[in-house]
Amino acid sequence: DIVLTQSPATLSLSPGERATLSCRASQSIISYLAWYQQKPGQAPRLLIYEASNRAAGIAARFSGSGSGTDFTLTISSLEPEDFAVYYCQQRSNWPLTFGGGTKVEIK
Amino acid sequence: EVQLVESGGGLIQPGGSLRLSCAASGFAVSSNYMSWVRQAPGKGLEWVSVIYSGGTTYYTDSVKGRFTISRDNSKNTLYLQMDSLRAEDTAVYYCTMRKRPENYFDYWGQGTLVTVSS
Repeated sequence: DIVLTQSPATLSLSPGERATLSCRASQSIISYLAWYQQKPGQAPRLLIYEASNRAAGIAARFSGSGSGTDFTLTISSLEPEDFAVYYCQQRSNWPLTFGGGTKVEIK
Repeated sequence: EVQLVESGGGLIQPGGSLRLSCAASGFAVSSNYMSWVRQAPGKGLEWVSVIYSGGTTYYTDSVKGRFTISRDNSKNTLYLQMDSLRAEDTAVYYCTMRKRPENYFDYWGQGTLVTVSS
């Protein structure tokens, strides 16, 4: 199985700051990676697919980059509603797998 | 508007069985790629099973032989039959639908909690 390692586990930032989240794959997954946001008590929401494409309705402050084994989700300027847990997910190989998550918390 | 509403979760003893349902609206379950994804309390996400529009099914290794995904096209509903339940199956189970060609999860239900405990 492809293992996705997310770092850091927790990111403590203030509103308005830039957030940079990392997802590293155990083998190349080309650009077959998505990012999801999950708030407490809610289902995850798709943010980014194929590494860099924003899903419908997702704000432009969210951007994704990377290929091969190293990927980044960037939130250019944190809004209060962005404090949540973020997961990456690969579709390169079965089974589909997720990273362990990065919690973005208010500093 | 796409909606997914799960039901059927609850407290069940180890070794027991449970069937989860996911009532869909706004699209046809029969024409789409549907999956179950679960999340143990305080933990991350784990893909469990998928059913393609053609009926092909796949499972993660830990549930093979114990869980069965199916659908009822007349009721536009997805199911997950869970047998021989174990404590490690305790999780919120989400029904999801793939909208685009790639294997990502575009739409999610609100989830239903399954607790396996004696």
